Amino acid sequence: RKEVEQDPGPFNVPEGATVAFNCTYSNSASQSFFWYRQDCRKEPKLLMSVYSSGNEDGRFTAQLNRASQYISLLIRDSKLSDSATYLCVVNIMGDYGGSQGNLIFGKGTKLSVKP
Amino acid sequence: EAGVTQFPSHSVIEKGQTVTLRCDPISGHDNLYWYRRVMGKEIKFLLHFVKESKQDESGMPNNRFLAERTGGTYSTLKVQPAELEDSGVYFCASSQAGRLRGDQYFGPGTRLLVL
Repeated sequence: RKEVEQDPGPFNVPEGATVAFNCTYSNSASQSFFWYRQDCRKEPKLLMSVYSSGNEDGRFTAQLNRASQYISLLIRDSKLSDSATYLCVVNIMGDYGGSQGNLIFGKGTKLSVKP
Repeated sequence: EAGVTQFPSHSVIEKGQTVTLRCDPISGHDNLYWYRRVMGKEIKFLLHFVKESKQDESGMPNNRFLAERTGGTYSTLKVQPAELEDSGVYFCASSQAGRLRGDQYFGPGTRLLVL
């Protein structure tokens, strides 16, 4: 079983649509959670961290359910510029209680927003 | 502020040859990470430096891979001898001291093709 699993996609949506990405993680020691965005042939860039209480940044809303080991990202009023691959990322707690530092990535879900 | 830089951007070599990838982290970032994405797979962690010390090299695939970070500044990742399965995109990332979370800044990657 993969450590981080995401919807395979691709998602093709019209401008203005609302789109939701789902992700599950297998390691209950996962400590920190993120959504990264990766444009074609570019590097991953942090989009937003995901907190237990849920958090919002403009059109983007992230949710975390630790009991279900589930993370989501909602994009409202999608724009052409939102077209990219969205990567679900977790960070594992180390033996000493701190983070191990390295990130564990899902394969990503490609989003294509059409005019 | 300059971002993470990597050199070369692309490398095409033959099986059995040696390749050395270089990463210059953001100035002042003590944490430096190497990741790799092979075609069709997720981005995977290779190793983590804190300054010049290897904090975690659990992701290194085998002893054909050697990473160094002399002086705690830039890092090199050498593959010797290269095999076909080493083809992929090698990303470097850096983060500030104490920031063992997901806010890692990625370089543009080196695309390695082994023929």
